[in-house]
Amino acid sequence: AQKITQTQPGMFVQEKEAVTLDCTYDTSDQSYGLFWYKQPSSGEMIFLIYQGSYDEQNATEGRYSLNFQKARKSANLVISASQLGDSAMYFCAMRELTYNQGGKLIFGQGTELSVKP
Amino acid sequence: GAVVSQHPSWVICKSGTSVKIECRSLDFQATTMFWYRQFPKQSLMLMATSNEGSKATYEQGVEKDKFLINHASLTLSTLTVTSAHPEDSSFYICSASSGKADTQYFGPGTRLTVL
Repeated sequence: AQKITQTQPGMFVQEKEAVTLDCTYDTSDQSYGLFWYKQPSSGEMIFLIYQGSYDEQNATEGRYSLNFQKARKSANLVISASQLGDSAMYFCAMRELTYNQGGKLIFGQGTELSVKP
Repeated sequence: GAVVSQHPSWVICKSGTSVKIECRSLDFQATTMFWYRQFPKQSLMLMATSNEGSKATYEQGVEKDKFLINHASLTLSTLTVTSAHPEDSSFYICSASSGKADTQYFGPGTRLTVL
């Protein structure tokens, strides 16, 4: 069964420094997608970045990059030059594509990131 | 682009009443919409998947008769919590995508409090 694991319940980072949020996954499907979402205290889920299982290059979106290591089944999120507004919950999610006809996402437990001034 | 709205953003109701939550995709056609439930400091739990014009697919353990889902058009899905009880108090979030392989975009969520 597919599973997403985020082992860091909480993280602190100094403003302007980089931080890595860990995510490991388990799936038997060869075709899948990995997502990162940000959830500020307001509750909305904000899409940050996507990595497909067949993508050869790591995804990047502005200050966000995804360190995709397929053999290790990890998809860590790297936030460069942290800002105070980055303080939020971050969720890693996966969607299997071959057998998942519904396209549903499975989420990890989340990591609460706090950026210190 | 890819904006999803939810209404209401919060609702307080008495035990035993029904509450309807709307989820709309504003600038794209959502062939599939998803409904999630989230308790404080916890992850999102998928409740059901709905495809336009067909019955919703519920996750194991979710009561179909209690959480009624209707996906009447490509831009609107509704979740009705019937005969709500205090244990139904939670944050309900919908998401929408235009296809199986596409990114899901989330609504801002609805906070339900049942007294």
